[in-house]
Amino acid sequence: DQQVKQNSPSLSVQEGRISILNCDYTNSMFDYFLWYKKYPAEGPTFLISISSIKDKNEDGRFTVFLNKSAKHLSLHIVPSQPGDSAVYFCAARTGDSNYQLIWGAGTKLIIKP
Amino acid sequence: DAGVIQSPRHEVTEMGQEVTLRCKPISGHNSLFWYRQTMMRGLELLIYFNNNVPIDDSGMPEDRFSAKMPNASFSTLKIQPSEPRDSAVYFCASSLSGLISGNTIYFGEGSWLTVV
Repeated sequence: DQQVKQNSPSLSVQEGRISILNCDYTNSMFDYFLWYKKYPAEGPTFLISISSIKDKNEDGRFTVFLNKSAKHLSLHIVPSQPGDSAVYFCAARTGDSNYQLIWGAGTKLIIKP
Repeated sequence: DAGVIQSPRHEVTEMGQEVTLRCKPISGHNSLFWYRQTMMRGLELLIYFNNNVPIDDSGMPEDRFSAKMPNASFSTLKIQPSEPRDSAVYFCASSLSGLISGNTIYFGEGSWLTVV
């Protein structure tokens, strides 16, 4: 039962353009969502998060949008840079847990020069 | 400031041998997580400690797996005996008070285990 789904295994984007990574979820009890970035041979690193009481959170080139009615969130990267090439994971927490994250399978983003 | 430190980074062992993975969390963090990443199952939480006490070990695959946290700055994950299906990347992560109030968790670089 995949409660958090990242349906695109990979995405290729031209440098300078916008990258949009998508994440769908099924559990309406999720109240906090996070995006992590992972380079090969390294651990995931936190990128940006959003609470379910918001619909948008922005941090520099990174913006996360949350559409609760559609149970969908997306990560926008503008403009995309070569260093953004990595695997991006979406993760979600339920309100009744302060430690359990449900992870998506990840999307590999490739930024073409 | 040092991040989460894991050792060894790479381990190749024969089936049946004991494997011990080590973790030093970020100083001041009171929550520690052990995750496993495989192609088939992605990132899975194996065990969660808070203030050195195991809170949730429901993700530990079977009795061959055990984890300890004798003090706030050290944890081990042990597999005995190891099997080829244990081959994976094992991540240790830490945070300040779990995921309360929008906290996030910080991962180590992982221990790449291959059991042949």
